[in-house]
Amino acid sequence: AQKVTQAQTEISVVEKEDVTLDCVYETRDTTYYLFWYKQPPSGELVFLIRRNSFDEQNEISGRYSWNFQKSTSSFNFTITASQVVDSAVYFCALSEGSGGYNKLIFGAGTRLAVHP
Amino acid sequence: EAQVTQNPRYLITVTGKKLTVTCSQNMNHEYMSWYRQDPGLGLRQIYYSMNVEVTDKGDVPEGYKVSRKEKRNFPLILESPSPNQTSLYFCASSETSGGFREWQFFGPGTRLTVL
Repeated sequence: AQKVTQAQTEISVVEKEDVTLDCVYETRDTTYYLFWYKQPPSGELVFLIRRNSFDEQNEISGRYSWNFQKSTSSFNFTITASQVVDSAVYFCALSEGSGGYNKLIFGAGTRLAVHP
Repeated sequence: EAQVTQNPRYLITVTGKKLTVTCSQNMNHEYMSWYRQDPGLGLRQIYYSMNVEVTDKGDVPEGYKVSRKEKRNFPLILESPSPNQTSLYFCASSETSGGFREWQFFGPGTRLTVL
């Protein structure tokens, strides 16, 4: 069955620390997409990244980087030199071909608190 | 500006009083979807629509209805709300790229409380 697990419920760091948010997924499909979204305290969902199952290259965008490893079914998200503005709930999600990509399967989310 | 709008943003109602949460997108997207967010559960899909007059159930459709009469609008209807439908609701719309949905755009959310 399809499933996304974010084992870290809450993480608390001090500003400028690096932090990694874990995401482990389960799927029987060979073609799928993985996503990360940010939900700041204001409540909206902000799209961060989408990665397809055939592209295992790591990606870096500013202080954000993503490590996709099919061998361990993981798609981890690292924030380098964290800032207070990074405080939010972060969701990892999966979209599968067998479902026509019509649904996102979300993890439970990780709440990140960055303290000054 | 490309956006998904939802109304109302906040709503407190009582059990059994029918309500509609509207969702509108200005990007001419074919695909739209509703999700509910509950603590510890992440977001779960309620219904989705692949185009006008084409809708289908998601993982938690009980107690909800939807309609897609126009491409831009995808309202969520609660015919007889109950307290277990107290939640944060998100509408999403998506274009299709290379056969898959990008799921990049979400509405701002509607916080519903059913007393």
